[in-house]
Amino acid sequence: DAGVTQSPTHLIKTRGQHVTLRCSPISGHKSVSWYQQVLGQGPQFIFQYYEKEERGRGNFPDRFSARQFPNYSSELNVNALLLGDSALYLCASSVEDWGANVLTFGAGSRLTVL
Amino acid sequence: QKEVEQNSGPLSVPEGAIASLNCTYSDRGSQSFFWYRQYSGKSPELIMFIYSNGDKEDGRFTAQLNKASQYVSLLIRDSQPSDSATYLCAVIPAGNNRKLIWGLGTSLAVNP
Repeated sequence: DAGVTQSPTHLIKTRGQHVTLRCSPISGHKSVSWYQQVLGQGPQFIFQYYEKEERGRGNFPDRFSARQFPNYSSELNVNALLLGDSALYLCASSVEDWGANVLTFGAGSRLTVL
Repeated sequence: QKEVEQNSGPLSVPEGAIASLNCTYSDRGSQSFFWYRQYSGKSPELIMFIYSNGDKEDGRFTAQLNKASQYVSLLIRDSQPSDSATYLCAVIPAGNNRKLIWGLGTSLAVNP
């Protein structure tokens, strides 16, 4: 059974551009969360979606948006990229919306903004 | 004060020794605690979670939770070079808040 899959794995953008990152959760998992991890730091929560509804939002600017599709896959969009957006973007899925919140992470999408 | 604090390390232990990793948290009402392992360039993977005071054992790993003192620790017995990684502590704070709060991680090096 496939794990959490993310695409693209690596990408390079320039300041001001837009990026879309994609995530497919483990089959049967209905919750998807997005995290940003800057080198040397722990992950920072961006969004959580469950059954296509946003259930949580971290302290990120409105340039960051996301959505979840009927098949539970998800997209993270970042507009007007800044140098500081360079990071590893992690998608994690879980079976339930809340509660145990045991997350399984994908391999991540490494974004470099020049 | 940071919400979840870990010693960044590196913590260096010889092969076969016990590695002890510590994590303190600021929200006294926190309910759920997680330890993730992250190899360099890879994504985090869950090792253990613990909800109740006391010890929880899984193979060579033991998580210890003390809510009164607001710390959670991870012991790794018979440490192996393959255990060398960064260990991240994550906490779900009190209230209807869906985000995990993460520490910066402790780098562990197990020397053969």
